Amino acid sequence: NAGVMQNPRHLVRRRGQEARLRCSPMKGHSHVYWYRQLPEEGLKFMVYLQKENIIDESGMPKERFSAEFPKEGPSILRIQQVVRGDSAAYFCASSRDRSSYGYTFGSGTRLTVV
Amino acid sequence: AQRVTQPEKLLSVFKGAPVELKCNYSYSGSPELFWYVQYSRQRLQLLLRHISRESIKGFTADLNKGETSFHLKKPFAQEEDSAMYYCALSGYSGGSNYKLTFGKGTLLTVNP
Repeated sequence: NAGVMQNPRHLVRRRGQEARLRCSPMKGHSHVYWYRQLPEEGLKFMVYLQKENIIDESGMPKERFSAEFPKEGPSILRIQQVVRGDSAAYFCASSRDRSSYGYTFGSGTRLTVV
Repeated sequence: AQRVTQPEKLLSVFKGAPVELKCNYSYSGSPELFWYVQYSRQRLQLLLRHISRESIKGFTADLNKGETSFHLKKPFAQEEDSAMYYCALSGYSGGSNYKLTFGKGTLLTVNP
């Protein structure tokens, strides 16, 4: 079992470009969570998805950010028109059920906006 | 509102010394508390959770509801314990406890 796979590991984007971050959950896990870690901060919840559904997006910025978890394929966190303040580490976690007990985290994607 | 405070950004001890990483929380209900660890260049891993009352790699943590604390302790630190440690809280929201609130982390360095 390869665990939660995130790619790319590092992503550099110029201001105004789009960033796409991918997360493949562990085998057998159908719940995916995205967290963001700004410099010098703890991880902050962004969004919780199940297959084809957004369950809780209370932590997502209102503009430019979107997430999906299609029936087939990885979950995607999409940031449009990136700005310097989007530079952060983005972590994905997955679980078998709707609970924080069974979280498994990925290695994260470090986004740098130049 | 949920909040987790880790007052120490950095903590440095010598090998064999006791270590205590502090964590205080704020939550109106009954929280579930966790400690996560991130070794250099590795992913975030669950170290322990209060409900299991377990000891992992010699670490223990006791939930003190009166002081709203969940400090992580180890009597004899080892060099391989050097890592970033995050305290996290999960509270019930809409009947589920899927969301974690993290502290800012404490970087532990164990010197030889």
